[in-house]
Amino acid sequence: QSALTQPASVSGSPGQSITISCTGTSSDVGNYNLVSWFQQHPGKAPKFMIYEVSKRPSGVSNRFSGSKSGNTASLTISGLQAEDEADYYCCSYGGSSTWVFGGGTKLTVL
Amino acid sequence: EVQLVESGGGLVKPGGSLRLSCAASGFTFSNAWMNWVRQAPGKGLEWVGRIKSKTDGGTTDYAAPVKGRFTISRDDSKNTLYLQMNSLKTEDTAVYYCTTFSVGAFDYWGQGTLVTVSS
Repeated sequence: QSALTQPASVSGSPGQSITISCTGTSSDVGNYNLVSWFQQHPGKAPKFMIYEVSKRPSGVSNRFSGSKSGNTASLTISGLQAEDEADYYCCSYGGSSTWVFGGGTKLTVL
Repeated sequence: EVQLVESGGGLVKPGGSLRLSCAASGFTFSNAWMNWVRQAPGKGLEWVGRIKSKTDGGTTDYAAPVKGRFTISRDDSKNTLYLQMNSLKTEDTAVYYCTTFSVGAFDYWGQGTLVTVSS
């Protein structure tokens, strides 16, 4: 099963909004509302940010939001802050009890 | 507070074996579906496999690259998850994370343990 496709990098200035896309297929992203997003700072474990496409776990800022259209899911970060600079990964259920991650996107806050 | 602490990583030769452990606390481990996710140096995340709770059958599923070589097990009396890795390849070099699973996602993660496969 192939990894989901994410842009290698995105950037934005403090206060701006950015969107990271995550493109899969009709066998994963397009077929299930089980897309999640993770934030990973260098040398740290990933942190769970979004589940079931658009739901935020307790404690995650409402500046983070998720959506999906067809085979592409998106993570939007509004009011960009310096501490948002990190790698971001999407993940989707791939059917047959398997899970697939995206290749990751490096977010730079200018 | 949920805590997951992996151990057992290290340097192993190609073709060798290694067993990782993940000690869990702060939640009812026996009810939890648990996963292993790995990350090769400088690369992205890759799902390795999952074990259901015994109540839900205790069955396991694996990613294609590790199927037949890796085995996930659990000891609910010790609140510990295991990953037995056999026939290791250089491409198995990675940090291995154990994670809990709920709401259709990997919600809590350990700090990871590094496995290096090299001659």
